[in-house]
Amino acid sequence: EDQVTQSPEALRLQEGESSSLNCSYTVSGLRGLFWYRQDPGKGPEFLFTLYSAGEEKEKERLKATLTKKESFLHITAPKPEDSATYLCAVAWGGGSNYKLTFGKGTLLTVNP
Amino acid sequence: SAVISQKPSRDICQRGTSLTIQCQVDSQVTMMFWYRQQPGQSLTLIATANQGSEATYESGFVIDKFPISRPNLTFSTLTVSNMSPEDSSIYLCSVPQGIGYTFGSGTRLTVV
Repeated sequence: EDQVTQSPEALRLQEGESSSLNCSYTVSGLRGLFWYRQDPGKGPEFLFTLYSAGEEKEKERLKATLTKKESFLHITAPKPEDSATYLCAVAWGGGSNYKLTFGKGTLLTVNP
Repeated sequence: SAVISQKPSRDICQRGTSLTIQCQVDSQVTMMFWYRQQPGQSLTLIATANQGSEATYESGFVIDKFPISRPNLTFSTLTVSNMSPEDSSIYLCSVPQGIGYTFGSGTRLTVV
């Protein structure tokens, strides 16, 4: 059973059409939830870290929110350059040897 | 944040051969991590490389298949040995950044 599930797997938007990506998790002892952006042929690029339910972070057209069971990445008025795969990861477990588990990602395509 | 240089960026290899991937970090870090990203799958942790000690491998990964070197605090290598087409993936190194990770640009490996 997947511990981190992202939906949808793929999302196609028109430029300016706002939407949200979802990341749900079932791990216990959440230490933090991360959103990354990954462009083709590149490594993941860090976007946000969220630590507790109710927390929100914003960066340009992106806004990340966190509840006790899921996180949303809201994209407002997206542009074609926002096209990428968005990855969610959760750090969980006790002590210094926490685990980092990734979802499979959402492939976002924004058409002009 | 740390900057990671990873090479090669891509390679096409014959089955049965080995490929060594290098990661250079612009600052000293205690831990370096190696991930595999198979097509359509999550990033999966292969092993943790600590300087001065043996690497710690995750379930499903063994040292004979993925030997790792960590000669100093800024450099590590991962070798993919006796390759088969199933080893075709993107391989990524990463270092801790706060509670999250910073990633290299990845090595896209195709085994034919």
